[in-house]
Amino acid sequence: GESVGLHLPTLSVQEGDNSIINCAYSNSASDYFIWYKQESGKGPQFIIDIRSNMDKRQGQRVTVLLNKTVKHLSLQIAATQPGDSAVYFCAENTRGGANSKLTFGKGITLSVRP
Amino acid sequence: DSGVTQTPKHLITATGQRVTLRCSPRSGDLSVYWYQQSLDQGLQFLIQYYNGEERAKGNILERFSAQQFPDLHSELNLSSLELGDSALYFCASSPGPADSPLHFGNGTRLTVT
Repeated sequence: GESVGLHLPTLSVQEGDNSIINCAYSNSASDYFIWYKQESGKGPQFIIDIRSNMDKRQGQRVTVLLNKTVKHLSLQIAATQPGDSAVYFCAENTRGGANSKLTFGKGITLSVRP
Repeated sequence: DSGVTQTPKHLITATGQRVTLRCSPRSGDLSVYWYQQSLDQGLQFLIQYYNGEERAKGNILERFSAQQFPDLHSELNLSSLELGDSALYFCASSPGPADSPLHFGNGTRLTVT
């Protein structure tokens, strides 16, 4: 079936290093992708999004890359900080007639070592 | 603060009971979404409302129902509760019906004993 998945369940990085979180999606009809960050006890927080007519988008310290050929999405975090420790989710939006549905991946935990 | 308000924050109830979760969307947002988050299933989409009308349906059980009121707040009703219904329930909102980021509340933690 169609799904959004993450390659690794956990990622540990040194403070100050760059982090790369990867996500694979399987639905070629998906046209909009979002990265969310979820801290303990809170709801998912929007980080950055990208539409399928783009292959790269940059925000503050974050970059999202989209490779439609291999159905791959990545989130790059520059100069990772302790406050970046959280669970990260990728989500894909799939159009279905008048409806669209946002499907989330399982999530990956980012742990930042001081 | 996302601007999405969910109440209550915690709910403990027994099997077979019925509960109602409440959500107030961000000011100006017309869409409300409900998601269930459990350890083994991740974030599962339940249902979406746009301006009072049901817009999309996901993996929502027949024992669950939702509605969006004229003031745009939404309620998720869970009945005949089972132990497996224990989870975090998130509400999210967005301005339009699709293609814009969802902004999530901090959830309601439901524990069924």
